[in-house]
Amino acid sequence: NAGVTQTPKFQVLKTGQSMTLQCAQDMNHEYMSWYRQDPGMGLRLIHYSVGAGITDQGEVPNGYNVSRSTTEDFPLRLLSAAPSQTSVYFCASSTGTGAGETQYFGPGTRLLVL
Amino acid sequence: SQQGEEDPQALSIQEGENATMNCSYKTSINNLQWYRQNSGRGLVHLILIRSNEREKHSGRLRVTLDTSKKSSSLLITASRAADTASYFCATGMRGGSEKLVFGKGTKLTVNP
Repeated sequence: NAGVTQTPKFQVLKTGQSMTLQCAQDMNHEYMSWYRQDPGMGLRLIHYSVGAGITDQGEVPNGYNVSRSTTEDFPLRLLSAAPSQTSVYFCASSTGTGAGETQYFGPGTRLLVL
Repeated sequence: SQQGEEDPQALSIQEGENATMNCSYKTSINNLQWYRQNSGRGLVHLILIRSNEREKHSGRLRVTLDTSKKSSSLLITASRAADTASYFCATGMRGGSEKLVFGKGTKLTVNP
């Protein structure tokens, strides 16, 4: 099992550009989520999904879109990148409802917005 | 807003010593989890403790939970240089929330 994979590992964007961060898991987990990690802020929840076709907002959803068309994939879209979105992004998955289960994290995507 | 807050923010100890990190939270929880993050890497799950449990062990790790004080502690015994990492607590809130909320973490340095 590859676990949770994320691509790309590193990306540089210009302000206003859009892009999609990819996340995939091969553990047949229903729950998937996206976090961003900024220095001194810990991890903050952006969006999460409890199953294919179902998504919901976390703490900091503005500027990000998600969709969940399959159990395996949970892409995060930046609509119009801003310097404030410079961060490290982590995708995670788990069984069940998520909050009560072990989260399996991907290696992260480092995003720099100029 | 963050639910859990770790204390201290940073901790530096010598190899062989014990390391204790604390987590305080604000609202009632169903469970609390501890994660480790090595520099530049993803988070790795350490222990999950449920609200009806008071203590849990895993190898050199011991986690306690005091729901009356809304706090948890993570003890690493006989620390090693390889334990150098950031440690985060995460809480799943009571009421059916599917959101797992992380604290800001404690950065542990174990000096050889």
